[in-house]
Amino acid sequence: AQTVTQSQPEMSVQEAETVTLSCTYDTSENNYYLFWYKQPPSRQMILVIRQEAYKQQNATENRFSVNFQKAAKSFSLKISDSQLGDTAMYFCAFMKRSSKAGNMLTFGGGTRLMVKP
Amino acid sequence: KAGVTQTPRYLIKTRGQQVTLSCSPISGHRSVSWYQQTPGQGLQFLFEYFSETQRNKGNFPGRFSGRQFSNSRSEMNVSTLELGDSALYLCASRQGTGDTGELFFGEGSRLTVL
Repeated sequence: AQTVTQSQPEMSVQEAETVTLSCTYDTSENNYYLFWYKQPPSRQMILVIRQEAYKQQNATENRFSVNFQKAAKSFSLKISDSQLGDTAMYFCAFMKRSSKAGNMLTFGGGTRLMVKP
Repeated sequence: KAGVTQTPRYLIKTRGQQVTLSCSPISGHRSVSWYQQTPGQGLQFLFEYFSETQRNKGNFPGRFSGRQFSNSRSEMNVSTLELGDSALYLCASRQGTGDTGELFFGEGSRLTVL
């Protein structure tokens, strides 16, 4: 079974600054996806960024980037130039990658991020 | 393109009753999965359906069940409700095979059990 751990229940950052959210995971799988999902107060979960385990290059999406350390089983999210709209719960999630694995996401406990003006 | 639609958005039930929640996936998505979100347990996987067949099931009692129809719409049912079933129930859809792995979530159904 997989486990995902987010060690920071709450974080805050000043607008325009950079913040890093931590995530570690445990798995015996070699082929998998890692995701960061954002859940704003309106509750709809949306994908921030995804990483495929076989790719060594860290994923980036505009102001969002990850530091993927496969050997250390670490997957942190860096948000640059933080904006008020980034205020949300952030979940790190793991999914096995296989035709039989289906869509089972294993989530971390979440990090509540508040961006202050 | 419409997103994942869940109904009802809010509902209140009493202990012992049953509830049915509905989820319409994004058009063309064949896979639907359900998650329970509570403050204490976080986000937990309930089950997943693909082409009308349950493909995976989480560690929930048999009171939790689901199904998927030929148009990919899915329902989940909880019988003999308990106070601890109060939660936000999230549905997510995925295209199926050969995609990016991304799940698209609905806004959820907030169930309160009194």
